[in-house]
Amino acid sequence: DIQMTQSPSTLSASVGDRVTITCRASQSISSWLAWYQQKPGKAPKLLIYRASSLESGVPSRFSGSGSGTEFTLAINSLQPDDFATYYCQQYNSYPLTFGGGTKVEIK
Amino acid sequence: EVQLVESGGGLVKPGGSLRLSCAASGFTFSSYTMNWVRQAPGKGLEWVSSISSSSNYIYYADSVKGRITISRDNAKNSLYLQMNSLRAEDTAVYYCARDSLTGTTWPLWGQGTQVTVSS
Repeated sequence: DIQMTQSPSTLSASVGDRVTITCRASQSISSWLAWYQQKPGKAPKLLIYRASSLESGVPSRFSGSGSGTEFTLAINSLQPDDFATYYCQQYNSYPLTFGGGTKVEIK
Repeated sequence: EVQLVESGGGLVKPGGSLRLSCAASGFTFSSYTMNWVRQAPGKGLEWVSSISSSSNYIYYADSVKGRITISRDNAKNSLYLQMNSLRAEDTAVYYCARDSLTGTTWPLWGQGTQVTVSS
């Protein structure tokens, strides 16, 4: 199974900050990586697919990069609506696996 | 409106069974791979199972293999999850999610249904 490791697990930031979240895969997954945002009590929302493609309707302040085993989600100019938990997910092979999540908190 | 609506969750005793349903609307259900993803209280997301559009390909997480069966009825635009021999660690919110056409990512999710396994 492919293990996905996210860091940090918690991130404190202010509105307007640029934040980055890292996701590492235990083996190469090419670019088969997605990022999701989840708010309490809500279903996850797809932000990024194929490592760097922005899902329709997602603000351009979100961006993804990386390939192989190391990936990054960046949020430019953090907005109040962005305080949430973020998950990476590999879809290179079954079983599909998620990272442990990164909670972005208000500083 | 394009949506997924789960139902069938509830409180069940260890060893019991439950059948979850997911009703799809607003899109051609029979064209998409469908999935179940769960989230235990205060924990992260865990993929549970996937079923291809014609039910030809089915996959399960090791944690549920042998106890859970995914199925679908394309005529009824519905996805199911039959859960047997339930354990306390199966307690979670269960989401159904639809694949995109570009890969195994999930742009469409239901609101989730709570399953609680407790005596």
